[in-house]
Amino acid sequence: DAGITQSPRHKVTETGTPVTLRCHQTENHRYMYWYRQDPGHGLRLIHYSYGVKDTDKGEVSDGYSVSRSKTEDFLLTLESATSSQTSVYFCAISADRRGFSIEAFFGQGTRLTVV
Amino acid sequence: DQQVKQNSPSLSVQEGRISILNCDYTNSMFDYFLWYKKYPAEGPTFLISISSIKDKNEDGRFTVFLNKSAKHLSLHIVPSQPGDSAVYFCAASAGNQGGKLIFGQGTELSVKP
Repeated sequence: DAGITQSPRHKVTETGTPVTLRCHQTENHRYMYWYRQDPGHGLRLIHYSYGVKDTDKGEVSDGYSVSRSKTEDFLLTLESATSSQTSVYFCAISADRRGFSIEAFFGQGTRLTVV
Repeated sequence: DQQVKQNSPSLSVQEGRISILNCDYTNSMFDYFLWYKKYPAEGPTFLISISSIKDKNEDGRFTVFLNKSAKHLSLHIVPSQPGDSAVYFCAASAGNQGGKLIFGQGTELSVKP
């Protein structure tokens, strides 16, 4: 299994509170991603990173921010959690080969509930 | 705007028969396509991929076909086994977009004994 660790695995938080999810990799891969999975929507990209301090928005980035100060860590922050952000969050990593992305490996997921 | 679409939310197949999962895309810049399998309470796991320079790629029981003119790809599983029951996601990437992977909504496959 690829060395990806997500923490926490489960979290319940109150509306309006800040939340940070952590993704840690031991593969030294260039790309890191945050996705959310919701029924009927599949996996939707929130933000991704193509290097240290290099990040870009995905299709559902509103209400989320990210940071990558080290190759191995990619943080996802909900500045003020809302009930619509209740979801399962997945981190993924992929290497870069000749300009083409190759397969991404996923973490086990974080189940976040905002009450 | 859904760039990658899996129009069948579910598929039921008898054990030993062929399973065919379909995926359509709209972005002609996509040049790499992947299929993932996901069990409940686990992260997706990579199954098979195909580059846009090919129209077919095989790995054991799994074959992916790519029809660029129709912007369509499919995953064939032969023979299907009960352990193949899972949600399958297709994903696409464009080489000029820095590795960003866009996923479809998923198709839940049920293989009945």
